[in-house]
Amino acid sequence: SAVISQKPSRDICQRGTSLTIQCQVDSQVTMMFWYRQQPGQSLTLIATANQGSEATYESGFVIDKFPISRPNLTFSTLTVSNMSPEDSSIYLCSVEVLGLASYNEQFFGPGTRLTVL
Amino acid sequence: GDSVTQMEGPVTLSEEAFLTINCTYTATGYPSLFWYVQYPGEGLQLLLKATKADDKGSNKGFEATYRKETTSFHLEKGSVQVSDSAVYFCALTPNRDDKIIFGKGTRLHILP
Repeated sequence: SAVISQKPSRDICQRGTSLTIQCQVDSQVTMMFWYRQQPGQSLTLIATANQGSEATYESGFVIDKFPISRPNLTFSTLTVSNMSPEDSSIYLCSVEVLGLASYNEQFFGPGTRLTVL
Repeated sequence: GDSVTQMEGPVTLSEEAFLTINCTYTATGYPSLFWYVQYPGEGLQLLLKATKADDKGSNKGFEATYRKETTSFHLEKGSVQVSDSAVYFCALTPNRDDKIIFGKGTRLHILP
């Protein structure tokens, strides 16, 4: 298993500013992911945070808007840049842990609730 | 593309009632199926899983059976408790792919 913490847990920000969300894991993991959960919607994968290289972004998400850092195997940051009210969401970090079964289990952080005014 | 559809909430039940939350999926190949639960103020936790047809996942009194013929993975519990109040997400991973695809979630309220 893995224990994941995120900072901040919530924030209220002004339009046009940027916020950096931190994700810390209690063990070294290969795969780290960032998700967005918009109000009333399902979780959507933003990107895979790759250690030592650029993140891999899903369709509809770009590095200029959501820059991601992954300096080591236990830490990652997601920045939401030039925010607008449409960016108000819960942002979740998750990690993949190798399992004994035919799939690898993902563990999720508690999320960061962002409100943009 | 691959997708998950689950019943909309909120679902409100009395304690000790029987629970069913419907989930159907669309996927090519042979996905693995999951139910995740999100308790208030906490992150998502894996509740149960099934990796092939006719598998039954179970945990904490909850059960779900992987039905390939109906492309369904309905979550059931025979007697719910107030502590089961949470948001439940049905999800899948496409065959041999790390990406998880989630349903929209179903909020469950259990009344004492």
